[in-house]
Amino acid sequence: KAGVTQTPRYLIKTRGQQVTLSCSPISGHRSVSWYQQTPGQGLQFLFEYFSETQRNKGNFPGRFSGRQFSNSRSEMNVSTLELGDSALYLCASSLRPGQQLNTGELFFGEGSRLTVL
Amino acid sequence: GNSVTQMEGPVTLSEEAFLTINCTYTATGYPSLFWYVQYPGEGLQLLLKATKADDKGSNKGFEATYRKETTSFHLEKGSVQVSDSAVYFCALSEAGGSYIPTFGRGTSLIVHP
Repeated sequence: KAGVTQTPRYLIKTRGQQVTLSCSPISGHRSVSWYQQTPGQGLQFLFEYFSETQRNKGNFPGRFSGRQFSNSRSEMNVSTLELGDSALYLCASSLRPGQQLNTGELFFGEGSRLTVL
Repeated sequence: GNSVTQMEGPVTLSEEAFLTINCTYTATGYPSLFWYVQYPGEGLQLLLKATKADDKGSNKGFEATYRKETTSFHLEKGSVQVSDSAVYFCALSEAGGSYIPTFGRGTSLIVHP
């Protein structure tokens, strides 16, 4: 079956602009989480959505937001971009929490690489 | 809280050398343990996992054993190839909670011909 799909793969923005990234999870997966990956900080958890509700949130400013649609697709938005927001943004899907056989394994997309100039 | 500690990289090896990447963890319960691999320009993909103590996960020649007594999950491969060059992440996830995995910082592996 198809994997996790993220769009766009690459994008360049300037400071102050906003950006929206999209993620389509594996069919049947209802949990979607987002991570920011940078060379200096490694992999940092942004937020997790399940059934259109944000269930968990990492330690990021309010400029970072997200949502999930009824078909489990998710978007994240970063407003008022800063140079430090340049990163690879990874989306991952998984079985819903508590579902049998859920060991916590995540299925990642290839990421959206954001460069802020 | 939970935490995962990996050895610092980069780890540089010649082809056919033996690989060990150390990983130790701290968890309040009984986590599942994972190794993810990230090839250049790609997202993370699951390499192997173990869900209970003494389980051995294996895939593509890589192995790791869940050691509860030493809280470790070291990754090993007997003979590395140039194509194994990637960043390796150790992670844990606890059932019964949010399932949000805790990741280590990642260890870069560079294999020379």
